[in-house]
Amino acid sequence: DSGVTQTPKHLITATGQRVTLRCSPRSGDLSVYWYQQSLDQGLQFLIQYYNGEERAKGNILERFSAQQFPDLHSELNLSSLELGDSALYFCASSPVHFSGNTIYFGEGSWLTVV
Amino acid sequence: AQKVTQAQTEISVVEKEDVTLDCVYETRDTTYYLFWYKQPPSGELVFLIRRNSFDEQNEISGRYSWNFQKSTSSFNFTITASQVVDSAVYFCALSEAGRSQGNLIFGKGTKLSVKP
Repeated sequence: DSGVTQTPKHLITATGQRVTLRCSPRSGDLSVYWYQQSLDQGLQFLIQYYNGEERAKGNILERFSAQQFPDLHSELNLSSLELGDSALYFCASSPVHFSGNTIYFGEGSWLTVV
Repeated sequence: AQKVTQAQTEISVVEKEDVTLDCVYETRDTTYYLFWYKQPPSGELVFLIRRNSFDEQNEISGRYSWNFQKSTSSFNFTITASQVVDSAVYFCALSEAGRSQGNLIFGKGTKLSVKP
């Protein structure tokens, strides 16, 4: 158990819908990351937050947004969903924002868009 | 540009065989960090090891060992006396130092199947 908690574990929704994935980082970690894992793209970095502020953006679509709340939990919002958004979405956390520290991943949220 | 290449897409071995998973990386930085993660069939990503670019000592942890060679930009992972529970997808990842962001760049992964 990495200490990173993600909900829901599985989600099936229709095209055009909007979903919210939730993440609680490890106790004491201030930095949260979101990754997408799909068969064709592999593991892709989406976005990073540190202590409530956006720190870095990767290949995140404009239809996707995220935020980190004062209690440090984070949410990833996916809207106008398309079939191609079906993937495993990981949240991860680390103590600080800069490189070199170990990043621990949650169990992921499986999203299926039908 | 930073890049991680895991040329072996799938490897199949019989239990008790040794197996080496290859990882080659590209970076312009002199300071960087390398990682290995394991993804079992259940889906979670499990951290295995972190290595910084200044520490080229090989590391051994039980049946796992890692060989870091800066000269060939490689960070290979060997499982000795493999077991069925080692069946998983293994990812190598890179993080460059001196950046304000700590995200990892992953390779495509190597799927290891260990048969009884």
